[in-house]
Amino acid sequence: GNSVTQMEGPVTLSEEAFLTINCTYTATGYPSLFWYVQYPGEGLQLLLKATKADDKGSNKGFEATYRKETTSFHLEKGSVQVSDSAVYFCALAPGAGGTSYGKLTFGQGTILTVHP
Amino acid sequence: GAVVSQHPSWVICKSGTSVKIECRSLDFQATTMFWYRQFPKQSLMLMATSNEGSKATYEQGVEKDKFLINHASLTLSTLTVTSAHPEDSSFYICSASGLAGSQFFGPGTRLTVL
Repeated sequence: GNSVTQMEGPVTLSEEAFLTINCTYTATGYPSLFWYVQYPGEGLQLLLKATKADDKGSNKGFEATYRKETTSFHLEKGSVQVSDSAVYFCALAPGAGGTSYGKLTFGQGTILTVHP
Repeated sequence: GAVVSQHPSWVICKSGTSVKIECRSLDFQATTMFWYRQFPKQSLMLMATSNEGSKATYEQGVEKDKFLINHASLTLSTLTVTSAHPEDSSFYICSASGLAGSQFFGPGTRLTVL
């Protein structure tokens, strides 16, 4: 079956530091890959996505590249802010692109805390 | 973006009672709704998928007679935890998907069974 593994947290950084949260996956076929963010007291929000190999998803300064050869989708940001403090979830859905966003499989989530 | 609400945001109930959780898509029609369960410091686990007007499809290991799901309209799905026990205490999250396919998540409902 499909699975997603994220790096263990929590991650604590100072403002303007570089962020990497590792994510690797196991899936058959060509899944779509996602990063979701959950701010305190709120629901999950889609941060970025990539639907095929070598695609780069980006949003709000965050980036992740779909690497099929290493089955990875690591999240990066060059300079984090206090407002980036949240829980980040890597996820996959079967099917390449289009509307196949059903049946998401999530990683365990990584808590990020950014200090001023 | 699209908004999904859940009600209640938290609920405490006695063991043996039933609890209903509502999930609403406020500004779009949700052809499909998903129900997830999240344990502390763990990932979201998909419980079931429901399409409007049809029976829900449950994931392996999820008791359909215990977790009743109804998706009677394009904007509302309900999850009823029947005869709740302390081990059912968890964070329940719904998501809704329209024709475009992207999922939008509700803020979750914290259930505590005493």
